[in-house]
Amino acid sequence: GIQVEQSPPDLILQEGANSTLRCNFSDSVNNLQWFHQNPWGQLINLFYIPSGTKQNGRLSATTVATERYSLLYISSSQTTDSGVYFCAVAGFGNEKLTFGTGTRLTIIP
Amino acid sequence: KAGVTQTPRYLIKTRGQQVTLSCSPISGHRSVSWYQQTPGQGLQFLFEYFSETQRNKGNFPGRFSGRQFSNSRSEMNVSTLELGDSALYLCASSSMSGANVLTFGAGSRLTVL
Repeated sequence: GIQVEQSPPDLILQEGANSTLRCNFSDSVNNLQWFHQNPWGQLINLFYIPSGTKQNGRLSATTVATERYSLLYISSSQTTDSGVYFCAVAGFGNEKLTFGTGTRLTIIP
Repeated sequence: KAGVTQTPRYLIKTRGQQVTLSCSPISGHRSVSWYQQTPGQGLQFLFEYFSETQRNKGNFPGRFSGRQFSNSRSEMNVSTLELGDSALYLCASSSMSGANVLTFGAGSRLTVL
């Protein structure tokens, strides 16, 4: 099946800093989603982005499908951005999402 | 509109017992997927139900089963619990079958003693 690698595994930043999270995948995909898991375990869907670029407030994401990677940008970080960010993908003909191991982001006031 | 509701939120069981978890999807959503999250294995797909039919299944033993009712609510059952079944069980709903845009519930945290 598809392999999903996320980097970095851990990231600690001061409030107000910007960050870039990366997701690499091993095969062509027709579905890619970014999620944020808060400290209480709730997974929030941030983006559905199998290709192209999207922006939502301070967050934006870009997927370059031909090069098999996606980037999540967080600008002007706030403490509420802390948590684990997951990338999940599904390949053509595969209806199951495969999750990466996540990037744990900690924002220090 | 209401989100995905999972019950119970927390539960403690002992080895050998069985457990049933419930998931009510967003109104109008007919697909419900279940995931298991553990520190060691991360997030793993269990199964997906759409219109009361199991559409996909992950690589879990037969002790893990599920069903979906006509109102799209879903239950998953784990029989003969093992210590390794301790996990956060997450349910997600979607308007369509397959790996579509998923909305997750808050999860059910199971501890097996």
